[in-house]
Formats: sequence, C-alpha cells, structure tokens
Amino acid sequence: AQSVTQLGSHVSVSEGALVLLRCNYSSSVPPYLFWYVQYPNQGLQLLLKYTSAATLVKGINGFEAEFKKSETSFHLTKPSAHMSDAAEYFCAVSSRLGGSQGNLIFGKGTKLSVKP
Amino acid sequence: EPEVTQTPSHQVTQMGQEVILRCVPISNHLYFYWYRQILGQKVEFLVSFYNNEISEKSEIFDDQFSVERPDGSNFTLKIRSTKLEDSAMYFCASTGVHNEQFFGPGTRLTVL
Repeated sequence: AQSVTQLGSHVSVSEGALVLLRCNYSSSVPPYLFWYVQYPNQGLQLLLKYTSAATLVKGINGFEAEFKKSETSFHLTKPSAHMSDAAEYFCAVSSRLGGSQGNLIFGKGTKLSVKP
Repeated sequence: EPEVTQTPSHQVTQMGQEVILRCVPISNHLYFYWYRQILGQKVEFLVSFYNNEISEKSEIFDDQFSVERPDGSNFTLKIRSTKLEDSAMYFCASTGVHNEQFFGPGTRLTVL
C-alpha cells in the first residue's frame, strides 16, 4: 500500500525566510505526487504536481518541489515566506501505481505559520 | 475557470436522518471522488466513481453510504442514517487528463 509521511505537524517561519515542508512517500514505483494547500475554512487547492516528467516542479505562489527517488521524498519549498502563505499543506500520492486516475492518499498535513 | 461546486456549504442534521450532499464536477471530467476530513484530521478517501459505477471505495464507505450521478451533471453522496461520527467536511473532486484532482469547497456536515 502507498503512504505519505509529512514530518512536522506545525512549522513556523519568519516572513522572508525559507519555507521547507517535508514529505516522504512509500511506493515501489514512482507515483504521481501532489501538494495541496488549505486555507482556513476553505477547500483544497492544488499547488503543484509531479507526473514523472521533470523532477523539479514549479507550482503556484512561488512554491516548488523536488522529486528525489533515492530519498523517496517530495519536499515543498519557497525561498521567501509571505504572510499569506499561512495555511495547512498536504502532500498526497496517487494510489494507482503508475498514477493513472487513482484516488489520493493524503499525509496528515503541516500547518505553516508565518511570523511578521 | 471551471470549478467544482458543492451544496450546501453547511448541513446540520439529527442523528439517524438521511442526508444528501451534492456536487457538480467540472463538465468534461470523467472521474469523480468523495473525500472527508474530520476536524483536525487528515483528508480521507471515501469513494471514486467512473462510467456510472463505483470504481474504488475505502473501508469507511460502508452500506450507509451511496453515490449517484442522477442526471449527468450532479454527483451526490447519500448517508442513509447519520451517526455522530459522520460529522466532518466532505469534499467532492473530479479528475482531468493528468490525474489532477480539482476539489470543491466542501460541505460541512454536523450531526447532532
């Protein structure tokens, strides 16, 4: 079975600092990987996705993630945090090996706080 | 930009009552999903639907749950006899070409 582990349920950074949110996945075949953001009382918005093309994926709002097969990781980064980045971030993996149209398996989420 | 819509945004019901949560997926999408998120917990898969039938379901999706696409546009989740533990945010999603699931804003279900 596939799974996702997000290290750190809560990350706090200062405005302008680097954001690093960690995600490790479990799979014997490179799956589709996703990062979603959830603002308070809102639904899930896709930030970026890895679909076995480029290993460095750029998303919206200045976020990017790098797929590292050797480390089974897909960490999310942003060079400079903004107050509006405060939200909960979920890493997800597709359940179908090879990634075609499978349901998503989510990590527990990481709540990002940004201090002024 | 096309989006997934869900109604109602908040549903309050008494334990044992039936509820129907409605979703309108993006029009050219073919795969549809329901997820739920109990307060403070992670998002959990309930069921996926393709070609007018369930393609996959989780352990959570027991006989109390059913899904339907009654008219080619709406996608509904029915809970026959709600329990307190069904209180959660329910998200509908639909999938485009590259397994990119677009989520609706959710329906908050409160069972009293």
